[in-house]
Amino acid sequence: QSALTQPASVSGSPGQSITISCTGTSSDVGGYNYVSWYQQHPGKAPKLMIYEVSNRPSGVPDRFSGSKSGNTASLTISGLQAEDEADYYCSSYTSSSTLGVFGTGTKVTVL
Amino acid sequence: EVQLVQSGAEVKKPGESLKISCKGSGYSFTSYWIGWVRQMPGKGLEWMGIIYPGDSDTRYSPSFQGQVTISADKSISTAYLQWSSLKASDTAMYYCARRGDILTGYAFDYWGQGTLVTVSS
Repeated sequence: QSALTQPASVSGSPGQSITISCTGTSSDVGGYNYVSWYQQHPGKAPKLMIYEVSNRPSGVPDRFSGSKSGNTASLTISGLQAEDEADYYCSSYTSSSTLGVFGTGTKVTVL
Repeated sequence: EVQLVQSGAEVKKPGESLKISCKGSGYSFTSYWIGWVRQMPGKGLEWMGIIYPGDSDTRYSPSFQGQVTISADKSISTAYLQWSSLKASDTAMYYCARRGDILTGYAFDYWGQGTLVTVSS
């Protein structure tokens, strides 16, 4: 089971929009609408930001949005803020027996 | 309030055994999968495996099959991750997380605080 592919880093200035991609296969991202995204600040546990491709849990700002096309899912942060600087990981349900897989992770830097 | 509380940091020597825990509260422990996630120093999240405490159905990522054992004691709402012979390369932060139901798209909706395992001679 290979990890989903994400860019190592993405950066943007405050107020700008950035998009993080997450590429898998038809056995995971492309086959199911069970893609989730997690935010992790240094020294902290991951936090669920998006589930089922585009749904936000209660309390997550609406500047975070998700989408999917084929085998690639995306997380967009609009109106980038300083507190958005963190690592972001995608995850997907998979048809393999392990039931899930994470992405390689993306470091978001706010310039 | 849903909570996952993990056991404290451990310092072990190579070859020693270890069992760390994750206690769930605030929800029906037997009705949700619990996953274990490794994060080596400065690295990303890795899906190790997952257990359904209701019937102990356990699935391992191929990279971790045979290297660790995942178990659960539903009588005390606690999941475990154990090693029989630690290696220096097992040094990492380990998180447990609850896999939500269809309402949260089976995402990991609640996470433990992490258990730091250090293996050094």
